[in-house]
Amino acid sequence: GAGVSQSPSNKVTEKGKDVELRCDPISGHTALYWYRQSLGQGLEFLIYFQGNSAPDKSGLPSDRFSAERTGGSVSTLTIQRTQQEDSAVYLCASSLGDQITEAFFGQGTRLTVV
Amino acid sequence: DQQVKQNSPSLSVQEGRISILNCDYTNSMFDYFLWYKKYPAEGPTFLISISSIKDKNEDGRFTVFLNKSAKHLSLHIVPSQPGDSAVYFCAASEWGRGNQFYFGTGTSLTVIP
Repeated sequence: GAGVSQSPSNKVTEKGKDVELRCDPISGHTALYWYRQSLGQGLEFLIYFQGNSAPDKSGLPSDRFSAERTGGSVSTLTIQRTQQEDSAVYLCASSLGDQITEAFFGQGTRLTVV
Repeated sequence: DQQVKQNSPSLSVQEGRISILNCDYTNSMFDYFLWYKKYPAEGPTFLISISSIKDKNEDGRFTVFLNKSAKHLSLHIVPSQPGDSAVYFCAASEWGRGNQFYFGTGTSLTVIP
């Protein structure tokens, strides 16, 4: 597709379960970002991938969070042993190259931990 | 610590009038700024950007002003239209690093017909 695609669009999970969120970036975009937006908060940076470089994981809130990007394209954000405070909208974005250009966002995955 | 702040969570403006959305930042290393617009249940979409070598950038009805000494930027929408009703986020980063965009908490704009 032409845009950034995220799946699922909504996910309800029980506390303690693991979840995987998927992001398909725009074809040809080498940079990929994960952000989350908790209720009443701004977008919080989680992790950044750029080409074959080591990812910038400085925004991951705990070791329960991890992400990978296979083949420089699709990315998966994994949250282990989910907690209620993990409930948020998780947004993926991609952009061209390693210079700052506008990032194109997906529609997000709304995660609810019950 | 929030490096980019939008202190007004909401703003209401009459159709046809000017909307002014404000954003402050604390990191003097930021030299590239962006505004995003977000409708409910959609991801943010890029609106307009400005680099620190400029103090103004205009695109149609949208103008962004940057005051580096005050670490302040604003987005002006003239004239405001009902379709502009959305949440607006400002974001900042350091040109050439490309890794982190620091976002504000957003301002919800309502344009009243």
